[in-house]
Amino acid sequence: GIQVEQSPPDLILQEGANSTLRCNFSDSVNNLQWFHQNPWGQLINLFYIPSGTKQNGRLSATTVATERYSLLYISSSQTTDSGVYFCAVSDSNYQLIWGAGTKLIIKP
Amino acid sequence: DTEVTQTPKHLVMGMTNKKSLKCEQHMGHRAMYWYKQKAKKPPELMFVYSYEKLSINESVPSRFSPECPNSSLLNLHLHALQPEDSALYLCASSPLGGVNTEAFFGQGTRLTVV
Repeated sequence: GIQVEQSPPDLILQEGANSTLRCNFSDSVNNLQWFHQNPWGQLINLFYIPSGTKQNGRLSATTVATERYSLLYISSSQTTDSGVYFCAVSDSNYQLIWGAGTKLIIKP
Repeated sequence: DTEVTQTPKHLVMGMTNKKSLKCEQHMGHRAMYWYKQKAKKPPELMFVYSYEKLSINESVPSRFSPECPNSSLLNLHLHALQPEDSALYLCASSPLGGVNTEAFFGQGTRLTVV
């Protein structure tokens, strides 16, 4: 089956810093989503991005489907950005295959 | 409206209790999912309903019993659970087929089995 790898596993930054999170996947996929899981457990949709580039405020994402990776950029980090960021791809049955996540801690 | 609503948010139950988790969406999605998430792990798929019919059961123990009364509602009935079943239970929905299959998640039910 499809394998999804995220890096780095942990990231600690000062408020105001920029960061790049990476998601590699092992096969062609139908779609790719980035989620932020906040400390209360809520999974928040950040981007639905099977290919191309999207931006939403301080966040942007790029997926290069032909090279099987996606990047999530966070600029001017805030403490509320802390949490776990998951990348998930859909297989041929439209089931989500998850990466292990990147735990981000933003220090004030 | 891109909201999936789960109730309750927190649940503590004994090993002999019977309880139910509820999930509701009004996005017209025809696929609904139950996931289980343990601490520091990604969500694990439990069940998938497509057009109100159970299409995937990921070898989940029978003490978990899903039900889809209609296209907007999904329940998870719990009976005789074990302490290791304590986890965050997430409901999700997505369109079936088509170009956009984006999944949306509820805020979860944090379950503690005592």
